Amino acid sequence: DTAVSQTPKYLVTQMGNDKSIKCEQNLGHDTMYWYKQDSKKFLKIMFSYNNKELIINETVPNRFSPKSPDKAHLNLHINSLELGDSAVYFCASSHGDRGNTEAFFGQGTRLTVV
Amino acid sequence: KQEVTQIPAALSVPEGENLVLNCSFTDSAIYNLQWFRQDPGKGLTSLLLIQSSQREQTSGRLNASLDKSSGRSTLYIAASQPGDSATYLCAVRRDDMRFGAGTRLTVKP
Repeated sequence: DTAVSQTPKYLVTQMGNDKSIKCEQNLGHDTMYWYKQDSKKFLKIMFSYNNKELIINETVPNRFSPKSPDKAHLNLHINSLELGDSAVYFCASSHGDRGNTEAFFGQGTRLTVV
Repeated sequence: KQEVTQIPAALSVPEGENLVLNCSFTDSAIYNLQWFRQDPGKGLTSLLLIQSSQREQTSGRLNASLDKSSGRSTLYIAASQPGDSATYLCAVRRDDMRFGAGTRLTVKP
């Protein structure tokens, strides 16, 4: 029973393509996040959604568009992929305003743009 | 904007040593602080969660403390083992969840 699941695990694509990464959580959490982990391993937040509404949008190119059809899903769509988009992307979820609950992460999607 | 710093960036110790990892943050208005472990090529595994009203949490050989007013947390690992080798990340949460750059720990047999 995977709490936060991402698909695909690996994604290799050419520059200029459009791709999507899916994320689903079965924990009943109301907040979901997308992170990018670059080659230096730093985890940088990209987006935060609470109850399907965008809360945080860091300085992310508008080629990246998150979509939350319901509280259990937060998908990441990337247009016109560039070499610099190559990284590992992590999805996570938590209860937004409950300090006593942990956040959980998916296993990551390794995106390689060639 | 919340800034999270972890010191040291890397640490190498012989097996059996006790060690302390440090995390500091700039904005004390947090819901909680969570310590994670990340093995190479893997996802994040939660180790300990400390709520903003708590001072410490313990799990096995791990003990995490939180001093919210000074913006600091420490992760204490007792009797380190080679299996503890990994990158340790702290994250502070309020409207979002922000991470430090991590401490890469190597425990030598």
